[in-house]
Amino acid sequence: DAGITQSPRHKVTETGTPVTLRCHQTENHRYMYWYRQDPGHGLRLIHYSYGVKDTDKGEVSDGYSVSRSKTEDFLLTLESATSSQTSVYFCAISDFLTGGEQFFGPGTRLTVL
Amino acid sequence: AQSVSQHNHHVILSEAASLELGCNYSYGGTVNLFWYVQYPGQHLQLLLKYFSGDPLVKGIKGFEAEFIKSKFSFNLRKPSVQWSDTAEYFCAVREGWTGTASKLTFGTGTRLQVTL
Repeated sequence: DAGITQSPRHKVTETGTPVTLRCHQTENHRYMYWYRQDPGHGLRLIHYSYGVKDTDKGEVSDGYSVSRSKTEDFLLTLESATSSQTSVYFCAISDFLTGGEQFFGPGTRLTVL
Repeated sequence: AQSVSQHNHHVILSEAASLELGCNYSYGGTVNLFWYVQYPGQHLQLLLKYFSGDPLVKGIKGFEAEFIKSKFSFNLRKPSVQWSDTAEYFCAVREGWTGTASKLTFGTGTRLQVTL
């Protein structure tokens, strides 16, 4: 498996609180992605990064922000968590050499009460 | 925007039955195609991928998929399923190489349940 870790793996929080999820990779891949997975919706892209400090929005970016200060770390922040953000969040990485194939982390299950 | 359709949401098969899961995409240009599998409680893993060449692609665990450009389809097949194939299967499409990021568009997934 690709060297991708996510932390925390599980989190329960209350509405209105900020939450930060971390993705860490040891593969030195250029591209990193955050997805959310919800029943009936598959995986939807939240934000992605194409280099250090280079990020862009995906299809469901409202209420989320990201930062990438180092190649290996990609942070996802829920600025003020809402119940609609209860989901499983997956980080993924890819690079030119992977031909576009994305490798996924183990996921973070977030519950917003 | 690119869209990916997986028409079978939930499929139940007996062990040894043959499997075919449909995947259709909307983009008319060059695409790269992927099938991922997610076993219960786990992350997504690549089953197979198509970039170019032979439209019949073989992947891991006996799975294969056929790219039919005229039908915008990339259906997944397995001649004889096993109980251990119980999982959710996702089709994904990439529109060539964008230069900024290799974004994938995923289908909504098909849950496969294999009974003994």
